[in-house]
Amino acid sequence: GAGVSQSPRYKVAKRGQDVALRCDPISGHVSLFWYQQALGQGPEFLTYFQNEAQLDKSGLPSDRFFAERPEGSVSTLKIQRTQQEDSAVYLCASSLGGSNQPQHFGDGTRLSIL
Amino acid sequence: AQSVTQPDIHITVSEGASLELRCNYSYGATPYLFWYVQSPGQGLQLLLKYFSGDTLVQGIKGFEAEFKRSQSSFNLRKPSVHWSDAAEYFCAVGPGGGGNKLTFGTGTQLKVEL
Repeated sequence: GAGVSQSPRYKVAKRGQDVALRCDPISGHVSLFWYQQALGQGPEFLTYFQNEAQLDKSGLPSDRFFAERPEGSVSTLKIQRTQQEDSAVYLCASSLGGSNQPQHFGDGTRLSIL
Repeated sequence: AQSVTQPDIHITVSEGASLELRCNYSYGATPYLFWYVQSPGQGLQLLLKYFSGDTLVQGIKGFEAEFKRSQSSFNLRKPSVHWSDAAEYFCAVGPGGGGNKLTFGTGTQLKVEL
């Protein structure tokens, strides 16, 4: 079956450009998460959606980061005016929701800011 | 605030030898605990999870983990390592519930010598 799909797999942008990263969750998964993984580190939580509602965005590092999931399925993470410290792998995960459902991760988007 | 400590950054074992990866967590209530594995350029694959009940949890690929509340630990074990187990391993803790954002450790890089 199809897993979590992220695109693009790799993105190179110049500092100051805007980027958009896409996540297609597993069909039927109501919960969707975004994480940022810096080189040599574990993933760090950015934001969480339940269906189309963004219930937690406490991990977004600045107001340059914005995420949406308008129809409760595909999600987009947008970074405006990118900076070098935004270089990382951005991971998307989805789950069925509920108290004991594990998160299933995509392969991530590796973002490099020059 | 919840946190996870993986004290070993790198571990090298010989193929066929046993393996134990350490994980200590800090969390105010009964945690939901996870082990994920990440191969280069890939997302995270769930190995096993603990929510409640039996403190010895069996996972995929022959891995198991034991939850020890008194030691705040959730160590991952495998009796006989295969060369294909070489990867990075992440321990994670979550609060459960619908907003189950995970807090990850910094990971342990496993190298397997043939």
